[in-house]
Amino acid sequence: AQTVTQSQPEMSVQEAETVTLSCTYDTSESDYYLFWYKQPPSRQMILVIRQEAYKQQNATENRFSVNFQKAAKSFSLKISDSQLGDAAMYFCAYRSVRGGSNYKLTFGKGTLLTVNP
Amino acid sequence: KAGVTQTPRYLIKTRGQQVTLSCSPISGHRSVSWYQQTPGQGLQFLFEYFSETQRNKGNFPGRFSGRQFSNSRSEMNVSTLELGDSALYLCASSFLLAGVIDTQYFGPGTRLTVL
Repeated sequence: AQTVTQSQPEMSVQEAETVTLSCTYDTSESDYYLFWYKQPPSRQMILVIRQEAYKQQNATENRFSVNFQKAAKSFSLKISDSQLGDAAMYFCAYRSVRGGSNYKLTFGKGTLLTVNP
Repeated sequence: KAGVTQTPRYLIKTRGQQVTLSCSPISGHRSVSWYQQTPGQGLQFLFEYFSETQRNKGNFPGRFSGRQFSNSRSEMNVSTLELGDSALYLCASSFLLAGVIDTQYFGPGTRLTVL
């Protein structure tokens, strides 16, 4: 079974600075998807960024980018120019491409990000 | 396009009762998944439905069940409620791309409190 580990329960960053959230995962599969979701106090789970394992290029969405290291099974999220609205719980998630496991996301425990003005 | 909607948003029940939660997916999405979120266990997969068929189920007791209707709307039911069922229940919908589910988009959740 796949597992996802987020080793930083809490992180803080100053507004306008950059912060990196860590995520490692364990899998025997070669093809899969990785996601970062954000959950603000409203509890609405919002997709931040997605990475396909077969793509070597790191995904980028505006101020959000990832560092995907497939061999190391590492998938970190970098938030540049942090804004107060970035404050939230961030979840790293894994999903298989094929088979029954394709139907579910496996989540890490989350990292609570605080943004200081 | 409207997002995933879940009703009700908040629910208070007592032990032994049963509850039904509803989820309406994004228009055109035919896959609906359910997750339970608790402080202790985090986010755990409950089940996934596609075309009114349950394709996979997580490690939850039989008290947890669900169904999907022909319009892709889904309901989940929990019978004989226990205190430990208190949680945020999240629904996610997805489009199918070449037979594989694409990115899952989440609803706002239903907060269930069992007293």
